[in-house]
Amino acid sequence: AQSVTQLGSHVSVSEGALVLLRCNYSSSVPPYLFWYVQYPNQGLQLLLKYTSAATLVKGINGFEAEFKKSETSFHLTKPSAHMSDAAEYFCAVSFAGGTSYGKLTFGQGTILTVHP
Amino acid sequence: NAGVMQNPRHLVRRRGQEARLRCSPMKGHSHVYWYRQLPEEGLKFMVYLQKENIIDESGMPKERFSAEFPKEGPSILRIQQVVRGDSAAYFCASSLQTGRAEAFFGQGTRLTVV
Repeated sequence: AQSVTQLGSHVSVSEGALVLLRCNYSSSVPPYLFWYVQYPNQGLQLLLKYTSAATLVKGINGFEAEFKKSETSFHLTKPSAHMSDAAEYFCAVSFAGGTSYGKLTFGQGTILTVHP
Repeated sequence: NAGVMQNPRHLVRRRGQEARLRCSPMKGHSHVYWYRQLPEEGLKFMVYLQKENIIDESGMPKERFSAEFPKEGPSILRIQQVVRGDSAAYFCASSLQTGRAEAFFGQGTRLTVV
């Protein structure tokens, strides 16, 4: 069975500060990992994905994430927060094959607040 | 290329009525997934469909819920005899292929049961 744990349901940073959103996964087979962002009353937008290529993945809006197999982590970072980054962020895991096919297992989400 | 289209965006139903949620995947996508987002809970997988086939319905409640993805037309998530606990945001996602390809999400349908 696969699972995702996002550490911290709320993260608050100042504008211009480093953003770090933590995600740890559990999977019995090599995973595919994703970060999605959700703005209020909107759908989910893909930020970036890891599918067994480069371990450092760059996404949209200046975000990046590093896959660390030894730590079973896929933390999301951005060097300098912007007010427009305020949203809820979801880490998700899937893998092709077996009985789970391509369905996503999501973490509980982390609400990012950016202060002026 | 239009994205994943869900309608209606908002749906209000009285207890005991039926709710029908529609999802048109992105052009060329044959894999559709439905997820439910309950207040204070994360996004939970409900069902995975390909054209005319249900591949995985392990997340669907055993009663009152059903889903289809016919050869022609949108995918439909149907909830019979709705109860207040069904109030949630329901998201549809589609992908070009299973596994490696990312899933693109629609804007969701927010169901309110009164």
